[in-house]
Amino acid sequence: EDKVVQSPLSLVVHEGDTVTLNCSYEVTNFRSLLWYKQEKKAPTFLFMLTSSGIEKKSGRLSSILDKKELFSILNITATQTGDSAVYLCAVERLETSGSRLTFGEGTQLTVNP
Amino acid sequence: GAVVSQHPSRVICKSGTSVKIECRSLDFQATTMFWYRQFPKQSLMLMATSNEGSKATYEQGVEKDKFLINHASLTLSTLTVTSAHPEDSSFYICSAPRGVWSGANVLTFGAGSRLTVL
Repeated sequence: EDKVVQSPLSLVVHEGDTVTLNCSYEVTNFRSLLWYKQEKKAPTFLFMLTSSGIEKKSGRLSSILDKKELFSILNITATQTGDSAVYLCAVERLETSGSRLTFGEGTQLTVNP
Repeated sequence: GAVVSQHPSRVICKSGTSVKIECRSLDFQATTMFWYRQFPKQSLMLMATSNEGSKATYEQGVEKDKFLINHASLTLSTLTVTSAHPEDSSFYICSAPRGVWSGANVLTFGAGSRLTVL
């Protein structure tokens, strides 16, 4: 059974801090790892990672994947209150009929002014 | 681009009634849509995969007769919670792959539907 474990489950920081969110996984037929940001409603896509060691960057957010050690990190620098959200990590498994995602529990990030 | 519209966003119903939730891909076609359920402070749990023109594929432990899924066209999938009970109260989210990127699919999510069964 596929497994995605995120840590920490909850994190409270002050504006300007840098945070690192962790995601470890166990999955057969790994295809990709995805990060989503979920505020009050539906998750929005942040990154998709397929190759080890290649950093994906978008503004203050960056992410990297280690396929040997089976984990990924999401970094947020100079955090802002608008970064407060649940960050979900998901792994995609390739199946004969397509693919499927398994989500982790998420990390609840709270950024205080 | 790649917008998924989900309706209603919030519904309150009496126990024993049925509730239908619609999920539409507005600017792309989706042969597959995924229905998730999310309890408070928990992650998304895949309930079923909706396939246009064929039967949905349900995850283990999800009752097919309870959660009816119909994927009538390339842009519309519906989830009907039949004979709803309070324990069915949850946040239901649909999603669709918005295309192939680097050999994989990235999901676009609907806004979700908050169901409360009294």
